[in-house]
Amino acid sequence: SQKIEQNSEALNIQEGKTATLTCNYTNYSPAYLQWYRQDPGRGPVFLLLIRENEKEKRKERLKVTFDTTLKQSLFHITASQPADSATYLCALDPGGNNRLAFGKGNQVVVIP
Amino acid sequence: DAGVIQSPRHEVTEMGQEVTLRCKPISGHDYLFWYRQTMMRGLELLIYFNNNVPIDDSGMPEDRFSAKMPNASFSTLKIQPSEPRDSAVYFCASSLSGQGSYEQYFGPGTRLTVT
Repeated sequence: SQKIEQNSEALNIQEGKTATLTCNYTNYSPAYLQWYRQDPGRGPVFLLLIRENEKEKRKERLKVTFDTTLKQSLFHITASQPADSATYLCALDPGGNNRLAFGKGNQVVVIP
Repeated sequence: DAGVIQSPRHEVTEMGQEVTLRCKPISGHDYLFWYRQTMMRGLELLIYFNNNVPIDDSGMPEDRFSAKMPNASFSTLKIQPSEPRDSAVYFCASSLSGQGSYEQYFGPGTRLTVT
């Protein structure tokens, strides 16, 4: 069956350090993968998209890697700040038509 | 732009009642998605529309759920009759094809509680 797996345990990290989240998937061959941020009581907000032919993508303090052989994406927040505390969801396309399948998300808590 | 608008923000209803959730997508967007989010199952796609036409409703849990999009600026998700297991946060999202980013813009959600 198709699965998208993210760590269910919250990641507690000291301010200034790099937070790294993992997204693993099985039985998908996505053309791209996205990362979203979700704050409590709000809808997810798009952060980054990385395509299958791209190894790495950066946006400000965020970096995403995509390894289609390992079927894995890593999401890094460098120089983390308390304002980065949120749940981060990975999403990929199950096969076109703009639809997405989401992981359950991984909570990040940045400790001042 | 005001973003995706959903109403109501909170709905509490009794089992057996009809519930209607409403969504106004971002103007000009041609895709509209309805999701349900629970702790157990995460964010699940229920149905999505392209140019007001339902494309895939395979995520709709059962016949008690129905969705319509009568025009480009309005969609409804209806649950009739509602059951306690329908309690969840329901999100509407919209996107614009042809941009290459496939970015989806989510509304604030409707928190539904069925007692």
